[in-house]
Amino acid sequence: DTGVSQDPRHKITKRGQNVTFRCDPISEHNRLYWYRQTLGQGPEFLTYFQNEAQLEKSRLLSDRFSAERPKGSFSTLEIQRTEQGDSAMYLCASSLVGRGTQETQYFGPGTRLLVL
Amino acid sequence: AQKITQTQPGMFVQEKEAVTLDCTYDTSDPSYGLFWYKQPSSGEMIFLIYQGSYDQQNATEGRYSLNFQKARKSANLVISASQLGDSAMYFCAMREGDTGRRALTFGSGTRLQVQP
Repeated sequence: DTGVSQDPRHKITKRGQNVTFRCDPISEHNRLYWYRQTLGQGPEFLTYFQNEAQLEKSRLLSDRFSAERPKGSFSTLEIQRTEQGDSAMYLCASSLVGRGTQETQYFGPGTRLLVL
Repeated sequence: AQKITQTQPGMFVQEKEAVTLDCTYDTSDPSYGLFWYKQPSSGEMIFLIYQGSYDQQNATEGRYSLNFQKARKSANLVISASQLGDSAMYFCAMREGDTGRRALTFGSGTRLQVQP
């Protein structure tokens, strides 16, 4: 059973450049989440999709961030005009929608971004 | 106010001993779910165990058990017979409600080091 995959695993960029990350969820999962994790902290929610619809965005998701899930399968997260404060681990998770709160999110290995 | 509080930044345990990692949470929603994840140095978040607010019994998964005390709003993770491979960051997380926000809210984590 293939888990969640993310590409690239590491990205170093210069301030002001645009970067794009990709996430491939577990194949039958219909929900996909993006989180950001800075050093010494737990992950913080950015946005999530159910199929191709983006249903919620965090206030952390500034105008420079955009996420898509065009066919309800893989997703991309783009950061435009990167800033040093964007340096973090970007985690993707997927889940299968179910009743109640026992919807378990399975995470990918993350993309570690460093903005110089 | 913090929704998830993990008061132990770091813990040490001897191999083969049991260890308890603390987690307290804050919610006014009667329906919620509590999760524990393990994050090794590689970065991937690994799901360990889940406890629903209406579950009558404490959750168990192999060497992991959750000491759920609803009145105290605590959901401590117990790892029995610690192994060297258990050394990692451990995060407690919560999802509130059945139909509302689907994202997880994480605590700041506890770094566990298992000593031989």
